[in-house]
Amino acid sequence: GENVEQHPSTLSVQEGDSAVIKCTYSDSASNYFPWYKQELGKRPQLIIDIRSNVGEKKDQRIAVTLNKTAKHFSLHITETQPEDSAVYFCAATRRGTSYGKLTFGQGTILTVHP
Amino acid sequence: DSGVTQTPKHLITATGQRVTLRCSPRSGDLSVYWYQQSLDQGLQFLIQYYNGEERAKGNILERFSAQQFPDLHSELNLSSLELGDSALYFCASSVERNTEAFFGQGTRLTVV
Repeated sequence: GENVEQHPSTLSVQEGDSAVIKCTYSDSASNYFPWYKQELGKRPQLIIDIRSNVGEKKDQRIAVTLNKTAKHFSLHITETQPEDSAVYFCAATRRGTSYGKLTFGQGTILTVHP
Repeated sequence: DSGVTQTPKHLITATGQRVTLRCSPRSGDLSVYWYQQSLDQGLQFLIQYYNGEERAKGNILERFSAQQFPDLHSELNLSSLELGDSALYFCASSVERNTEAFFGQGTRLTVV
């Protein structure tokens, strides 16, 4: 089955810096790649997603890039703010399966210092 | 608020017991997904139901079962509970196959 590896496991940045989280996936048939943000004790919330027919997608300070050949995708957060501190999860799902049937990475704990 | 409702929020029970977790999807969503989140295993997909029928199965133990009722709410039944079953259990829902899934706030299960 699908395997998603996520790095780094922890990331500490100063407010205003950029943060980058990287994921690799194993199943070349995967075609949907969402990113979820989870604050302590709360539910995962979708912050951005990308489909395999697109190489990059931006939403204000957040961007995701996808390299299908290398089977990796990355989350970029610019101008980080303390409220960006949370656990971020990448995920992938296979073509032909539902977008809610996700294989998640292990998560990255992002800490933004004021 | 995602619109996905899970009850109870917290549950403490003893080993060997059986519990039922309940999920009400967003209005109009036909698919329900169950996930388990533990420190060592991360977020793991358990099972999916679509309009009352089982659609996909993941790493769900035989001691666990689920169903989706005609009103589209879903229940996850966990039996013969073990200490290692302590985790956050999330339900998510989506309206169609190729649409994003929204997560509920989770049920924290503690087995003592």
